[in-house]
Amino acid sequence: GIQVEQSPPDLILQEGANSTLRCNFSDSVNNLQWFHQNPWGQLINLFYIPSGTKQNGRLSATTVATERYSLLYISSSQTTDSGVYFCAEGDSGYALNFGKGTSLLVTP
Amino acid sequence: SQTIHQWPATLVQPVGSPLSLECTVEGTSNPNLYWYRQAAGRGLQLLFYSVGIGQISSEVPQNLSASRPQDRQFILSSKKLLLSDSGFYLCAWSGRAGAVETQYFGPGTRLLVL
Repeated sequence: GIQVEQSPPDLILQEGANSTLRCNFSDSVNNLQWFHQNPWGQLINLFYIPSGTKQNGRLSATTVATERYSLLYISSSQTTDSGVYFCAEGDSGYALNFGKGTSLLVTP
Repeated sequence: SQTIHQWPATLVQPVGSPLSLECTVEGTSNPNLYWYRQAAGRGLQLLFYSVGIGQISSEVPQNLSASRPQDRQFILSSKKLLLSDSGFYLCAWSGRAGAVETQYFGPGTRLLVL
């Protein structure tokens, strides 16, 4: 199956800083999604982005399908951005194949 | 708008006891439904998915089973819990196109087996 690798595994930022999270996948994908899991466990959809760039407020994502990676940008980070960020590909049948996530802590 | 509910939110059960977790979806018809487990260490693993009433596919062999008695109801069960069944169980739904569309997750159930 397709391997999904995320980096960095852990990240600590001071409030107001910017960050870039990366997701590499081992083969071409047509379905790439980013999620945020808040400290209470709720998984929130951020982007469905098989290719190109999308922006939603302080978050944006870019997927370069030909080079098999996706990036999630967080600008002017806030403490509420803390949690775990997952990318997932959905080309392996019905399952979403998740990476192991990047754990983000934003400090005041 | 669509909403997805799970209950209970938290459950502590002794080893060998039965389990029943329920998931219901509102605001959509004929959804695909999924059960995932998230063990400590963050990874999510698909346990079961269903494309219709009574249609269940299992992704991994295990101590658990799933049923879909109604279009928007998905139940995860076990006859006898094991310690290794502890984890965070997430239900999700998607449109009929399956994984091609976005999956939306419920709030989850934290299960601790002692």
